[in-house]
Amino acid sequence: GESVGLHLPTLSVQEGDNSIINCAYSNSASDYFIWYKQESGKGPQFIIDIRSNMDKRQGQRVTVLLNKTVKHLSLQIAATQPGDSAVYFCAENTGGFKTIFGAGTRLFVKA
Amino acid sequence: NAGVTQTPKFQVLKTGQSMTLQCAQDMNHEYMSWYRQDPGMGLRLIHYSVGAGITDQGEVPNGYNVSRSTTEDFPLRLLSAAPSQTSVYFCASGDGRVSGNTIYFGEGSWLTVV
Repeated sequence: GESVGLHLPTLSVQEGDNSIINCAYSNSASDYFIWYKQESGKGPQFIIDIRSNMDKRQGQRVTVLLNKTVKHLSLQIAATQPGDSAVYFCAENTGGFKTIFGAGTRLFVKA
Repeated sequence: NAGVTQTPKFQVLKTGQSMTLQCAQDMNHEYMSWYRQDPGMGLRLIHYSVGAGITDQGEVPNGYNVSRSTTEDFPLRLLSAAPSQTSVYFCASGDGRVSGNTIYFGEGSWLTVV
């Protein structure tokens, strides 16, 4: 299938380093945020989420930080591996049921 | 555990033709939605549904119709395909919580309109 996201912002990191992917969201009323990972030719997969009453949440090798003051979200990946190479999207729940996605960032992991 | 299933995987249409992209989920999710993904544009919400018999428009609804006659199925119809509708289409479903509605995606349908 055709590749998507050919013109996305790109982050290139060395294997073993930490990665930080940033996202600005649009709606100050959004109360739930999610990070998704999309590998080539596949649908987005859920990574981690955070509610607006939190500013940090940790998962396995991933941490999401939320700064509501400046409407900014970040995803930190510890000890980045080649399998982490993908496009990463942040998403916000606006109006409860509508989930709106950001433009995405392509992560390249150099071996 | 099938999750969200989309068909067809690939389709080529001529301008003006109609077709339906099928989507089914087996997780008893109330919320279903359709997104399109173009290069450099991320995912844009086309239509969504919060339950059987209820549909609503997303960010880019023009040129698409949907219906939700059952909880499981949420087909997307293109009544008169245009080249601008060439894209990858993703169906998604979620448990429908007002807050914290994590959604799960199908594998995508690649559509080319010539």
